[in-house]
Amino acid sequence: EPEVTQTPSHQVTQMGQEVILRCVPISNHLYFYWYRQILGQKVEFLVSFYNNEISEKSEIFDDQFSVERPDGSNFTLKIRSTKLEDSAMYFCASSEALLAGNNEQFFGPGTRLTVL
Amino acid sequence: GENVEQHPSTLSVQEGDSAVIKCTYSDSASNYFPWYKQELGKGPQLIIDIRSNVGEKKDQRIAVTLNKTAKHFSLHITETQPEDSAVYFCAATSNSNSGYALNFGKGTSLLVTP
Repeated sequence: EPEVTQTPSHQVTQMGQEVILRCVPISNHLYFYWYRQILGQKVEFLVSFYNNEISEKSEIFDDQFSVERPDGSNFTLKIRSTKLEDSAMYFCASSEALLAGNNEQFFGPGTRLTVL
Repeated sequence: GENVEQHPSTLSVQEGDSAVIKCTYSDSASNYFPWYKQELGKGPQLIIDIRSNVGEKKDQRIAVTLNKTAKHFSLHITETQPEDSAVYFCAATSNSNSGYALNFGKGTSLLVTP
């Protein structure tokens, strides 16, 4: 069964450093998403991406964040200068085209980001 | 924006009993309501969803009901089993949003004891 994959599973970084989280969405999906989950809290939307541009972003997704689809398979989230409060589990998700009945989002296993 | 409230935050049931988790939403434009199960160390897994054009949907031991007038929807798990133990999240979104951002509830930690 096709699935969303994410690397690395755990990333430890120093405050102020740049990190890139990588995702491979399901191959025939066209919409891509990043969410984050701070320990013990709910899953929060960060950004959605379609046709090589951002469709929607939340207030969390400030200038420190960027997304990119550098090739036909990868989808990345970059945090330019990490802060302690960026420590969280980051989930990538993907869904098919926005036709009725095809907007189910499938989540990857997540990358745990720890900022020291 | 959309605000999703979920109750209870924790739920403990005996194996074989039923479990009910309830959510409310604020945006009347929301028309898609998925439920996710998250096991320890894993990403959320879609278990069932419902769209605003139906009031109830069932898949084996799992059912979801939707009351658009009251803006609430519920997850029902019957004949619970220990492997149902996990955190369950409800979510809501609208296809009027350009990006289909899911707005999640805070989650319910379900424990099924043998």
